[in-house]
Amino acid sequence: GQNIDQPTEMTATEGAIVQINCTYQTSGFNGLFWYQQHAGEAPTFLSYNVLDGLEEKGRFSSFLSRSKGYSYLLLKELQMKDSASYLCAVRDWSGGYNKLIFGAGTRLAVHP
Amino acid sequence: EAGVTQSPTHLIKTRGQQATLRCSPISGHTSVYWYQQALGLGLQFLLWYDEGEERNRGNFPPRFSGRQFPNYSSELNVNALELEDSALYLCASSLAAKDTQYFGPGTRLTVL
Repeated sequence: GQNIDQPTEMTATEGAIVQINCTYQTSGFNGLFWYQQHAGEAPTFLSYNVLDGLEEKGRFSSFLSRSKGYSYLLLKELQMKDSASYLCAVRDWSGGYNKLIFGAGTRLAVHP
Repeated sequence: EAGVTQSPTHLIKTRGQQATLRCSPISGHTSVYWYQQALGLGLQFLLWYDEGEERNRGNFPPRFSGRQFPNYSSELNVNALELEDSALYLCASSLAAKDTQYFGPGTRLTVL
């Protein structure tokens, strides 16, 4: 089957580092995405991993291990504006049919 | 460059009615995706259109349907509305099927 798990909520302090984990099970894995979604707004693209390893983009980094079905999003130098939900999504390409399967999201609260 | 646009922003209907939601992709993008985000839940894949054809659909009843026009804009129709159809409906587009999906602001549908 298809399943994506990530923690429901996390809290962190401004200026700190936080790691949001995501584990997945899917039959036709073809890449993993992280999106940020502020309350009432559309998800915005953060990062994409298709090969194992770390992708760094400014304060945000994302890691993927395909053999473990595991990814994490690392946010450094946290700012108040980073308070949002972070969505892990796996692209499933089973039988040539393309779809993104989303986790329920991790709601991150950054405190001063 | 303009992003994905959706209309209307909000839509209020009563049970049994029909709703039509519209989406214009980023210029040059040929793939359009529809997702449902019910309150407190993750994004659920609804439909994928590419080059005017429906390529894949999620686990939703047939009363959820849509189409893609020659200019790649898309329409989602929901017939015989039920209370549980109340949700944020998000449209996304990508340059091609395997590219990153970029989301529009969504249409919030409320069924009374």
